Amino acid sequence: ETGVTQSPTHLIKTRGQQVTLRCSSQSGHNTVSWYQQALGQGPQFIFQYYREEENGRGNFPPRFSGLQFPNYSSELNVNALELDDSALYLCASRPPGGGSNTGELFFGEGSRLTVL
Amino acid sequence: GENVEQHPSTLSVQEGDSAVIKCTYSDSASNYFPWYKQELGKGPQLIIDIRSNVGEKKDQRIAVTLNKTAKHFSLHITETQPEDSAVYFCAASHRYNYGQNFVFGPGTRLSVLP
Repeated sequence: ETGVTQSPTHLIKTRGQQVTLRCSSQSGHNTVSWYQQALGQGPQFIFQYYREEENGRGNFPPRFSGLQFPNYSSELNVNALELDDSALYLCASRPPGGGSNTGELFFGEGSRLTVL
Repeated sequence: GENVEQHPSTLSVQEGDSAVIKCTYSDSASNYFPWYKQELGKGPQLIIDIRSNVGEKKDQRIAVTLNKTAKHFSLHITETQPEDSAVYFCAASHRYNYGQNFVFGPGTRLSVLP
């Protein structure tokens, strides 16, 4: 069973640029969430996608946007990058809900973005 | 919205000793409380979780307790080993509301000294 995979693992951008991060969810998982983890802090929820639609969003501005594709993979796009956007971006997937499913999140290893 | 606090921020113990990390949450609607371990350069990995209808759960050397009245939950690691060294995060969520996010605490850096 393949886990959550993210790409790229590291990237460097300059202020004002745009970035796209990619995530392949774990097999059978139809819900994907994105989290931002600043250095020394806990992950912060950006948004969640289910059946190709955003169904939950944290306190992030509209320049953070996303997509989910029919195969449940997902993209996170950030426009007009700011220095404070430097962080580890984590993708997490979860299996279909209901029954005994606890809603556990399965995280990828993240994409580390540095904005100069 | 939900707010999760976590203490201590750093914790050093001798190998074989116990470690305890405590978290509090603010939203009484939260009913699912996972603990994640994050090793350097890796994503968080679930180590144990507890639902609000249970007061305690144990898995080998790891246990979690939940006090819903006081809105706090704790992670207990016994017989610590060097490989337990990592950053640990608690989180709170509403299990059945999949549009709702997980709110994580700020993390505890555990160092197990040989």
